[in-house]
Amino acid sequence: DSGVTQTPKHLITATGQRVTLRCSPRSGDLSVYWYQQSLDQGLQFLIQYYNGEERAKGNILERFSAQQFPDLHSELNLSSLELGDSALYFCASSVGSYTDTQYFGPGTRLTVL
Amino acid sequence: AQSVTQLDSHVSVSEGTPVLLRCNYSSSYSPSLFWYVQHPNKGLQLLLKYTSAATLVKGINGFEAEFKKSETSFHLTKPSAHMSDAAEYFCVVSVYNQGGKLIFGQGTELSVKP
Repeated sequence: DSGVTQTPKHLITATGQRVTLRCSPRSGDLSVYWYQQSLDQGLQFLIQYYNGEERAKGNILERFSAQQFPDLHSELNLSSLELGDSALYFCASSVGSYTDTQYFGPGTRLTVL
Repeated sequence: AQSVTQLDSHVSVSEGTPVLLRCNYSSSYSPSLFWYVQHPNKGLQLLLKYTSAATLVKGINGFEAEFKKSETSFHLTKPSAHMSDAAEYFCVVSVYNQGGKLIFGQGTELSVKP
């Protein structure tokens, strides 16, 4: 158990819908990261927040947005969902950034029908 | 730009034999490199990391990796495979000056035969 929690574990929804994925970092960690894992794209970095502020951005679609709240938990919002958004979404956390070890949550499996 | 290339998409070994998973990296800066493991239907777990200290890095579960700058490689090894080692392994580089952004290799699936 990494100490990072993600909810829900599974999510099934329809195209065009909007969903919110939630992540709680390990106690004491200030950075939260979001990754997407799909069969065709592999594991891709989406976005990082550090202590409430966006720190780094990857290949995150405009339909996707994230935020980190004062209690340091984070939410990833996915809107206007398409079939291709079906994937495993991981959250990770670390104390700071760059060389710090990132601890991954168990992931949320999103299925868009 | 930084990147990692895992040279084998699938490796199969017999239990008790050595494991070698190959990774080459590309980086303009001194890289921070990691190996993560993903067991079926599980999250990612850190095996080991290199951050410019000792070039031979020891990790969990008997795994180790050697950073070779001249060969731009960071291969993962284990002297004796166990059935529980069957999983997907990812070689990862941390992107310099971009927060904690990680770039993952495509993964190597390790199968262990009895």
